[in-house]
Amino acid sequence: EVQLLESGGGLVQPGESLRLSCAASGFTFRNYAMSWVRQAPGKGLEWVSAISGSGGSTYYADSVKGRFTISRDTSKNTLYVQMNSLRAEDTAVYYCAKGVVAAAIPTYFDYWGQGTLVTVSS
Amino acid sequence: EIVMTQSPASLSVSPGERATLSCRASQSVSSNLAWYQQKPGQAPRLLIYGASTRATGFPARFSGSGSGTEFTLTISSLQSEDFAVYYCQQYNNWPPYTFGQGTRLEIK
Repeated sequence: EVQLLESGGGLVQPGESLRLSCAASGFTFRNYAMSWVRQAPGKGLEWVSAISGSGGSTYYADSVKGRFTISRDTSKNTLYVQMNSLRAEDTAVYYCAKGVVAAAIPTYFDYWGQGTLVTVSS
Repeated sequence: EIVMTQSPASLSVSPGERATLSCRASQSVSSNLAWYQQKPGQAPRLLIYGASTRATGFPARFSGSGSGTEFTLTISSLQSEDFAVYYCQQYNNWPPYTFGQGTRLEIK
C-alpha cells in the first residue's frame, strides 16, 4: 500500500525558514517523480515543485522559485522541500504527491499525502 | 501558463440525479487532463486521468470525456459519498502544472 506522510509544518514568522519532509512507503521511491502541491485555506490547489526520480531534475512554480528547494533522499525514501524567506502568502497545507513516471515529464498524481499545514504570520 | 477554468463554481444536485462538471483549458492540452475528488479535511484523490480513464476504486457512475480544450466529468447517479469538491488538472504543458479552481458539488 502506497503511503506518503508529510511532517515539518508549523507556525513561522515572515522571512523565516522551514523544511518539510514526506516519508514514502509501499513503492520503489527512486522510480517515480514527486511533487509538492499546496492549498491555501479555503482555496484551490497550486503546484509548487517537482523532482525527477533520480533527483537530477527539479522544477518550480514562479511563486517559489529562488526561495524553495526540493530534494529527495532515496536511501531514506523521503522527499523534502526547504522553504526560505517565507511570506504570508505561502500559508497553506502542503501535500506531497506521487507522479506516475520516473522522469519529471508531465504527469498526473496518483497518490497524495495527508498534508502538513504551514502558517506564516507575525 | 495554461489556465484551467471550471464551471460552475458550485452545483446543487439531488441524490440519484446526474451531475455534469466542466473544465476548459486556455489552450489545447490534448487528453492530458486529470480530475481529482477532495472531501473536507482530506487530501485530493485521483479520479480520472487521460481525460477518460477511471482510477482504481471509483465506480462506473463516474465518467470523463473531452479533449483539446473542453472536458466534462459526469456522475450519472449521485450517491451521498460523491458530494465533494472536484478539481481538474492539465499535465500537457509544464511547468507549471495547473489546476482549475474547483467545483463544489453539494446536496440539494
